[in-house]
Amino acid sequence: ELKVEQNPLFLSMQEGKNYTIYCNYSTTSDRLYWYRQDPGKSLESLFVLLSNGAVKQEGRLMASLDTKARLSTLHITAAVHDLSATYFCAANYGGSQGNLIFGKGTKLSVKP
Amino acid sequence: NAGVTQTPKFQVLKTGQSMTLQCAQDMNHEYMSWYRQDPGMGLRLIHYSVGAGITDQGEVPNGYNVSRSTTEDFPLRLLSAAPSQTSVYFCATVRDGGYEQYFGPGTRLTVT
Repeated sequence: ELKVEQNPLFLSMQEGKNYTIYCNYSTTSDRLYWYRQDPGKSLESLFVLLSNGAVKQEGRLMASLDTKARLSTLHITAAVHDLSATYFCAANYGGSQGNLIFGKGTKLSVKP
Repeated sequence: NAGVTQTPKFQVLKTGQSMTLQCAQDMNHEYMSWYRQDPGMGLRLIHYSVGAGITDQGEVPNGYNVSRSTTEDFPLRLLSAAPSQTSVYFCATVRDGGYEQYFGPGTRLTVT
């Protein structure tokens, strides 16, 4: 059974600092997703990682995937207040392209 | 293109009432799914469909029914609502052969 664990669940950062969110998953998965969610809103897709060693970057966010360690990371560089949100990772399971198991989310608060 | 639409946006039900949450898409995607999101739990898959006439259960299917008579629509039925079904419900689609998930705006359901 696939389980996805994120840590930390809560993260309070100062602007300008760097930090990493970790996402561990328990069994083999084809794909690893990262999403952002603002309060009261739907999910916004950030990254889809498809293979071992995949690295993707968008602005101050960079995601990587290590399938051997079953670990993905979301690195935040020089955080700004606009990055405050909840971040979810999810892994694909069950042989159907769309079935995802989500982590519980990391609530990020960036303070000036 | 409207993408993925969900109605209603908000709903309050009394215990034991029934209702149908609507999800529609105009992208001709074969795969559609329903998730629920509870505080601190991430999203959990309720039911999914890989095409018209084909549905299957996800992680938390109890208390919910689905059917898929057309490619465009994937309604979620609560036959006898319970307070434990208070949640935010998201519909998602995936293009056949693709992996990008398209989430709807969500329906916030409260059962009293």
